[in-house]
Amino acid sequence: AQKITQTQPGMFVQEKEAVTLDCTYDTSDPSYGLFWYKQPSSGEMIFLIYQGSYDQQNATEGRYSLNFQKARKSANLVISASQLGDSAMYFCAIGVFGTSYGKLTFGQGTILTVHP
Amino acid sequence: NAGVTQTPKFRILKIGQSMTLQCAQDMNHNYMYWYRQDPGMGLKLIYYSVGAGITDKGEVPNGYNVSRSTTEDFPLRLELAAPSQTSVYFCASSYRQQNSPLHFGNGTRLTVT
Repeated sequence: AQKITQTQPGMFVQEKEAVTLDCTYDTSDPSYGLFWYKQPSSGEMIFLIYQGSYDQQNATEGRYSLNFQKARKSANLVISASQLGDSAMYFCAIGVFGTSYGKLTFGQGTILTVHP
Repeated sequence: NAGVTQTPKFRILKIGQSMTLQCAQDMNHNYMYWYRQDPGMGLKLIYYSVGAGITDKGEVPNGYNVSRSTTEDFPLRLELAAPSQTSVYFCASSYRQQNSPLHFGNGTRLTVT
């Protein structure tokens, strides 16, 4: 079974500064993917970024980057130049492929508040 | 494209009632999923489907049933609703490839009283 741990229930950041949201994972499967989703107060789930276990480089998508440290089993999300609209719940998730059919296991989330 | 469409958006049920949450996707995705999100928590997988006619249980399937007669539709049936089923329900779909993210519907907020 897979497990995701997000140890920061809440984080605060000043507008325009960078913030790191922590995520550690546990799996015995060598082939997996890590996903980050954003859930604003309106409730929808928005996909942000993906990192595959065999990817050599850290994933980046605009202001989002994933700090992937495979040996430490961590996949932290870095948001650069925070904006007020970044205030939301953020979820880390893991998918183990092959017979797992794309199912994702989610962490409990981190609430990010961006202050002006 | 509408993506993943869930209906209804909100519903209040009395204990013991039944209902079906509807989910439809127009992206021709093979895989579909039902998750529930309890307040302040992450998402837990209820059921999933890898194609029409094929479904399987996730982490928390008790009290629910699903069917998948077409690629597009994946309804979730609640039988004999209980207060423990008060939650937000998300339907999602994805392509059959490793790096494909889940595309989520906007959720159904269900209250059982």
